[in-house]
Amino acid sequence: KAGVTQTPRYLIKTRGQQVTLSCSPISGHRSVSWYQQTPGQGLQFLFEYFSETQRNKGNFPGRFSGRQFSNSRSEMNVSTLELGDSALYLCASSSVQGKETQYFGPGTRLLVL
Amino acid sequence: AQSVTQPDIHITVSEGASLELRCNYSYGATPYLFWYVQSPGQGLQLLLKYFSGDTLVQGIKGFEAEFKRSQSSFNLRKPSVHWSDAAEYFCAVRGATNKLIFGTGTLLAVQP
Repeated sequence: KAGVTQTPRYLIKTRGQQVTLSCSPISGHRSVSWYQQTPGQGLQFLFEYFSETQRNKGNFPGRFSGRQFSNSRSEMNVSTLELGDSALYLCASSSVQGKETQYFGPGTRLLVL
Repeated sequence: AQSVTQPDIHITVSEGASLELRCNYSYGATPYLFWYVQSPGQGLQLLLKYFSGDTLVQGIKGFEAEFKRSQSSFNLRKPSVHWSDAAEYFCAVRGATNKLIFGTGTLLAVQP
């Protein structure tokens, strides 16, 4: 089975722009979660989607949003980018919502200039 | 509140030596615990997990971890470290919600 894929792998944007990141979960997985990883804050939960519905949300401003499609693929969007949004954005998928194992993709490295 | 503490930010061991990475968690009920490894510029790879049952769990790459409820710990061990084990290791707990709470990570360096 193919693993979790994320596109693009690297991205450079300037302040004020917006960005969309994409995540394709493992085939058959219906839950997708997003995490932000920075040297200062570590790994932080952004949100989780299951069956096209946001089920959980972390403590991030409304500039961070996401959605999930009927094929379980997910996108996250960050509007009005700030320098502090520079991070590795990781997507994880699990088979169902609940206490199942999450498998991570390689991440998208976002640099905001 | 749920939390995970990894007391060691950085550890250096010699190749062939044994390894133990510490992890303490805070969670009221029976936790679901995980160890992930991250190589530079990469995502997180699952090493092992504990949901219930046998408190000593085996993972990939020769790693094992022991769940000790009385100490709220889930330490990762490997009897003989290889140079390819150099990476950052994250302990995580998954509680009532679906999200993972991660520790700050332990960076492992392996000396030849």
